[in-house]
Amino acid sequence: GENVEQHPSTLSVQEGDSAVIKCTYSDSASNYFPWYKQELGKRPQLIIDIRSNVGEKKDQRIAVTLNKTAKHFSLHITETQPEDSAVYFCAATRDTGFQKLVFGTGTRLLVSP
Amino acid sequence: GAVVSQHPSRVICKSGTSVKIECRSLDFQATTMFWYRQFPKKSLMLMATSNEGSKATYEQGVEKDKFLINHASLTLSTLTVTSAHPEDSSFYICSARGGSGGGETQYFGPGTRLLVL
Repeated sequence: GENVEQHPSTLSVQEGDSAVIKCTYSDSASNYFPWYKQELGKRPQLIIDIRSNVGEKKDQRIAVTLNKTAKHFSLHITETQPEDSAVYFCAATRDTGFQKLVFGTGTRLLVSP
Repeated sequence: GAVVSQHPSRVICKSGTSVKIECRSLDFQATTMFWYRQFPKKSLMLMATSNEGSKATYEQGVEKDKFLINHASLTLSTLTVTSAHPEDSSFYICSARGGSGGGETQYFGPGTRLLVL
């Protein structure tokens, strides 16, 4: 089955810096890769996703890149702000049938003012 | 669009009682709903996948008789923790597939914090 690894587990940056979180996956058939942001005690919120027919996707300060050959994908946050502080989870799945999402272990991002 | 609600948000119960948690997709039909358990500072652990009108598929190590799942309609799934014990205390989150984001997009409920005394 699919296995997703996520690094780093914690990341501390200064406000305005960029933050990068990386994930690798094992199943070459996976073709959908969402990223979720979870604030303390709250639900995970989808912030961006990418499908395997695209190499990069951007939404304002957030971007995701996908390298299918290497089976890794990354989340890039530019001009970080204190409100970006949260736990970020990557996930992977095949877009067939009722395939479940396989989540990474999470990255705790702390943005200091 | 793609709003998922969960009720209750918090429950405290005595050991040995059963607790039912409801998960609803408010503005879309969810053919599939998922139930997760999350321990403090940990990732989401999938417990089971629930398809409307059929039996849930449980992950390895999850007791189906302990965690009863019912998906009676395209907008409602319930998780019942039977004969709860203190080790069942956790944050339970549901998610639903569907909505305007596409068939594979999952939207999460706000979670239910269960404390068993």
